[in-house]
Amino acid sequence: GESVGLHLPTLSVQEGDNSIINCAYSNSASDYFIWYKQESGKGPQFIIDIRSNMDKRQGQRVTVLLNKTVKHLSLQIAATQPGDSAVYFCAENGGVGGGSNYKLTFGKGTLLTVNP
Amino acid sequence: KAGVTQTPRYLIKTRGQQVTLSCSPISGHRSVSWYQQTPGQGLQFLFEYFSETQRNKGNFPGRFSGRQFSNSRSEMNVSTLELGDSALYLCASSQADTQYFGPGTRLTVL
Repeated sequence: GESVGLHLPTLSVQEGDNSIINCAYSNSASDYFIWYKQESGKGPQFIIDIRSNMDKRQGQRVTVLLNKTVKHLSLQIAATQPGDSAVYFCAENGGVGGGSNYKLTFGKGTLLTVNP
Repeated sequence: KAGVTQTPRYLIKTRGQQVTLSCSPISGHRSVSWYQQTPGQGLQFLFEYFSETQRNKGNFPGRFSGRQFSNSRSEMNVSTLELGDSALYLCASSQADTQYFGPGTRLTVL
């Protein structure tokens, strides 16, 4: 079936370095993607999203890149801080009609550890 | 605005029992979705409600059900609990594109 998956289960970086978290998706019809951050004991927190008519979107210290040709999504975090340590999930919205018809398919997640 | 709230935060049940979890969405949000999170399966979509109607449904057995009230608050019910139902159950609400998650209810089935 269709799925969204992550290449690396763990990523360890030094404070101040840039981090890149990758995600592959298999549904070529996907048109909306979201990155979430989940800290221990908390629910997923929205980071940034991107639609399929874009290939790049920037937020505060974060950038999402979308390559529809190879069905690949990445999250870049600039100047990674200890507070960025968490599990990061990519998700695809597969709900009927798109938009707010939510049926998110999540990847397995990548654990980011930031070393001081 | 207050965020998504879920009650209870922790719950312990035994096999065969049933359980009801509650979710209050962010004020003004009409869409409420439920997810199950386990170490083995990750985050899996259960169902989504909008204006008291189930609009999307995941691949879970009929023991898992839900409903939404006119004030957009939602409940999910799991009947005849199994050990494998132990998980973090997350609720998320949305108004437009962005989906906001609550802290979850940690269910342990003994």
